[in-house]
Order: sequence, then structure tokens, then C-alpha cells
Amino acid sequence: DAKTTQPPSMDCAEGRAANLPCNHSTISGNEYVYWYRQIHSQGPQYIIHGLKNNETNEMASLIITEDRKSSTLILPHATLRDTAVYYCIVRVSPSGSARQLTFGSGTQLTVLP
Amino acid sequence: EPEVTQTPSHQVTQMGQEVILRCVPISNHLYFYWYRQILGQKVEFLVSFYNNEISEKSEIFDDQFSVERPDGSNFTLKIRSTKLEDSAMYFCASSLAPRETQYFGPGTRLLVL
Repeated sequence: DAKTTQPPSMDCAEGRAANLPCNHSTISGNEYVYWYRQIHSQGPQYIIHGLKNNETNEMASLIITEDRKSSTLILPHATLRDTAVYYCIVRVSPSGSARQLTFGSGTQLTVLP
Repeated sequence: EPEVTQTPSHQVTQMGQEVILRCVPISNHLYFYWYRQILGQKVEFLVSFYNNEISEKSEIFDDQFSVERPDGSNFTLKIRSTKLEDSAMYFCASSLAPRETQYFGPGTRLLVL
């Protein structure tokens, strides 16, 4: 699976959009970009994933650049409860075998009141 | 919304004792995983399981570890003879298929004294 690079930490004001970048310059054509977050020591929580098109769900939006070498997770109106470590994971999706998720160090997002 | 559950939430044991961590995956999911996170470190993959067999395992998953699906709902991780370095959060996850999103449980905090 391709390696990802994320800033170690970011701050965001409550109510503002949080834009979390991820670089995955070695991504290949069949690799998806997944985002998870971990609040304190809770289990990782799935947020969103995409292949090449931008995606939106009730939690966030995922913007993937046209060359797919980077992406941005957008939390449109950050709240204090969004304070967490956010992980960008690139994952190949083969058929026929379960594939592990490889977690990096992620970005610690702190939403400030 | 269906979710992965884990019991117990906390477990304290003496070094050398056996522990069994339990997980109830999402009911229609077929692929099951264990991950662990030592305090302050990354989430690490241990093992994946499908059709009553291990699909993949990491080098962490040595002979002291075993997994089982004893009935139609539970998925267990057994550590035969715990060591101090087994102290960690252990997360169970499940997915509908190997290509599908993995959903994590809240974790079991294991402390080996």
C-alpha cells in the first residue's frame, strides 16, 4: 500500500471548516484513499473513502486531486467533539483476500472554542 | 446503526496468565480483524480471519496468540501466556468483504502486571 504523509497537528476554530491534507504521491490506480479518526483512545472511526471522484457524506467531504497524489478531508463546521487524530490510509482493494489497514501517526486536530 | 462490540472494556491480569478478549462483529459481516495499540504508539494490525481461517497475520501475532469464532456471533482473541509488553488497547474490526470498509469496536484495554 502507498505511503501517506500528514501534518502532525492542526488547530481549527469551532464552527469553521477544518481542512486536513494528505499526501500520497506514490498511489497507484487501484488504491483507495480512506479516512478514519480516533477520539482519545477509542476505536478508530470510519469517516469516508474515495478512489478518484470527490465524495461527501454526513460527516465530511473528501477532495482528491486530479493526479490523485494528494487529498483533503473537509469537516465543514468543526465542533469540539471533532478533536481527534485523523488518519489518511491508502489501501489497495484486491479481490479474494482480507487486507489490513496500515495506520500512520495521523494528524492531531484540535478544535478550539 | 449496527456496531462492533467488545468485552471486557478493561482487563487486568498477571504476567503469564491467559486472557480471552471477546468481540461481536456486525451481524452480516464475514471478515474479522484484530488490531492493537500500545499506549502512545500507532494502531497495529494483528490478524484477519475469514471462513474459520486466518487470512493474514503480522509478525506480532506469534504462537502466544490465537483467534477463534466459537459460535455464530463471537470472535475471540486469546493470549496464552501474557507478557508485560502485551499491555495495550486491543481493537476488533469487521467488514462485509475484504474490499469493504472495516468498522472498529471500542476496544479492550489490557493491563499486564
